[in-house]
Amino acid sequence: GENVEQHPSTLSVQEGDSAVIKCTYSDSASNYFPWYKQELGKRPQLIIDIRSNVGEKKDQRIAVTLNKTAKHFSLHITETQPEDSAVYFCAASREKLTFGTGTRLTIIP
Amino acid sequence: DTAVSQTPKYLVTQMGNDKSIKCEQNLGHDTMYWYKQDSKKFLKIMFSYNNKELIINETVPNRFSPKSPDKAHLNLHINSLELGDSAVYFCASSSQSYNSPLHFGNGTRLTVT
Repeated sequence: GENVEQHPSTLSVQEGDSAVIKCTYSDSASNYFPWYKQELGKRPQLIIDIRSNVGEKKDQRIAVTLNKTAKHFSLHITETQPEDSAVYFCAASREKLTFGTGTRLTIIP
Repeated sequence: DTAVSQTPKYLVTQMGNDKSIKCEQNLGHDTMYWYKQDSKKFLKIMFSYNNKELIINETVPNRFSPKSPDKAHLNLHINSLELGDSAVYFCASSSQSYNSPLHFGNGTRLTVT
């Protein structure tokens, strides 16, 4: 089955700086890669997703890049703000969504 | 107006008891899921139903039994609760059985004492 590895597990970034979270996946047939944000005590919520026919997607301060050859994808958050503090999960899917282990992002004011 | 609602929000019970968690979605989605999030925050799929039919059944003890009376509801019944069952259980739905965004409920925090 699919295996998704996510790094780093924790990340502290000065407010205004950029944050990058990286994931690798094992199943070359996976074709859907969403990212979820989970604030403390809340439910995971989709923030951005990308499909395998696209190399990059951007939504305001958030961008995701996908390298199918290397089987890795990354989340980039620019101009970070305190409200970006949360746990972020990547996931990969062919027929079933497999989540990464999460990254706890802390924005330092 | 909550899209995916699950009850109860908190559930505290003793080992050996049987409990149920209910989930309903009003998004018109065909597929519903149960996920378990443990203390380390790992999110693991347990079950998935598409139009009331079971399509994913991960390696979950058979003490866990999902039931989908219609495509808008997916309940989870747990028999003979154990300490290791303590976790947050999330219900979710999506428009397709795979490769579409998940909409999560607010979670049920189960504590087994």
